[in-house]
Amino acid sequence: QVPLVESGGGVVQPGRSLRLSCAASGFIFSHYGMQWVRQAPGKGLEWVAVISNDGSTKYYADSVKGRFTVSRDNSRNTVFLEMNSLRAEDTAVYYCVKEGNRGDYNSYFDYWGQGTLVTVSS
Amino acid sequence: VIWVTQSPSLLSASTGDRVTISCRMSQDINNYLAWYQQKPGKAPELLIYAASTLQSGVPSRFSGSGSGTDFTLTISFLQSEDFATYYCQHYYNFPHTFGQGTQLEIK
Repeated sequence: QVPLVESGGGVVQPGRSLRLSCAASGFIFSHYGMQWVRQAPGKGLEWVAVISNDGSTKYYADSVKGRFTVSRDNSRNTVFLEMNSLRAEDTAVYYCVKEGNRGDYNSYFDYWGQGTLVTVSS
Repeated sequence: VIWVTQSPSLLSASTGDRVTISCRMSQDINNYLAWYQQKPGKAPELLIYAASTLQSGVPSRFSGSGSGTDFTLTISFLQSEDFATYYCQHYYNFPHTFGQGTQLEIK
């Protein structure tokens, strides 16, 4: 088992910020890239962001580029998603996911967290 | 950006049936393709990676095929627990685009 536990979701007004956290266990965290995927209510999956195992490489979806920042703390086995300038269209369940291939951020996702709901509404 | 076209969006079938779901990529991705299953209210789960490699613990009635731009997920002898939504995803480069999803429902 590879528990990934997200936290930090909630209701936030448009234009405000929110920080999601994902605590990992059951594997050597510093060996694997981590990614974020979101799912708007009743919709499909959308890839959001990736961070390499050492934190040196990051990529973002165009829809969040410049507003979201992914980071990680390997000493705490935790990955973060800082979300600024939130919009109604950012409303979604946000999943933290682990990459299947060690040290390769171009990888499939072998474990998913349970997700945390972010609702952007006034 | 690599565009992903998944079909059908809705599939009706009965237990015991064999079904196929297709994904087409807008460019060659070699075999950098995964399939996921999602049940209502739950996180997706990995079924297949590298187009045809079954994830540990996934029943052998699931299989994947294809390479390049055209890929297929096949479920042989459907079981009740297989009625769910299925997504393909490429991981050839960023963004790792998902297909639109296929909802597999009981006929």
